[in-house]
Amino acid sequence: ELKVEQNPLFLSMQEGKNYTIYCNYSTTSDRLYWYRQDPGKSLESLFVLLSNGAVKQEGRLMASLDTKARLSTLHITAAVHDLSATYFCAVEKGGSEKLVFGKGMKLTVNP
Amino acid sequence: DAGITQSPRHKVTETGTPVTLRCHQTENHRYMYWYRQDPGHGLRLIHYSYGVKDTDKGEVSDGYSVSRSKTEDFLLTLESATSSQTSVYFCAISVYRQETQYFGPGTRLLVL
Repeated sequence: ELKVEQNPLFLSMQEGKNYTIYCNYSTTSDRLYWYRQDPGKSLESLFVLLSNGAVKQEGRLMASLDTKARLSTLHITAAVHDLSATYFCAVEKGGSEKLVFGKGMKLTVNP
Repeated sequence: DAGITQSPRHKVTETGTPVTLRCHQTENHRYMYWYRQDPGHGLRLIHYSYGVKDTDKGEVSDGYSVSRSKTEDFLLTLESATSSQTSVYFCAISVYRQETQYFGPGTRLLVL
């Protein structure tokens, strides 16, 4: 059974700081997705990582995928308040159309 | 926006009543999904569809059924709602399974 774990689940950080959050998964998959959700809102796609070694960057966020380690990282550079949200990773379940989501990481960036 | 609407956006119902949630897309995408979101669980897949009349179960499908008679509409039915089905329900679409999924605005369902 595919399990997706995110850590930490809660993170409070100061503006201007850097931090890395992690998404681990338990069975082989080459497909990993990152989403952002603001309170009371829907999910917004951030990154699609489709192969080992894939790296994507958008603004202050950079995501990478290591399929051998079954690990994705989301690195935050020089955090700003607007990055405050909940971040989800999701992994495709073995060649199917099904995604398994992590529980999400709630990020609060303080001035 | 990916052209996804969900209706209703909010619903309060009583235990034992049937409930149907509608997801409508204007993009003509092949794949459509229903998820539920609960605190501490992230999102969990209920059912998905890979074409008209083609559907399959997700990880939490018990108590739910779906139908897709047109490309643009994917219906989720709770045959007899229970309090454990109180949740936020999201519909999602994708044009190709390896592309990202685009999510609708969500439906908040309260079962009393």
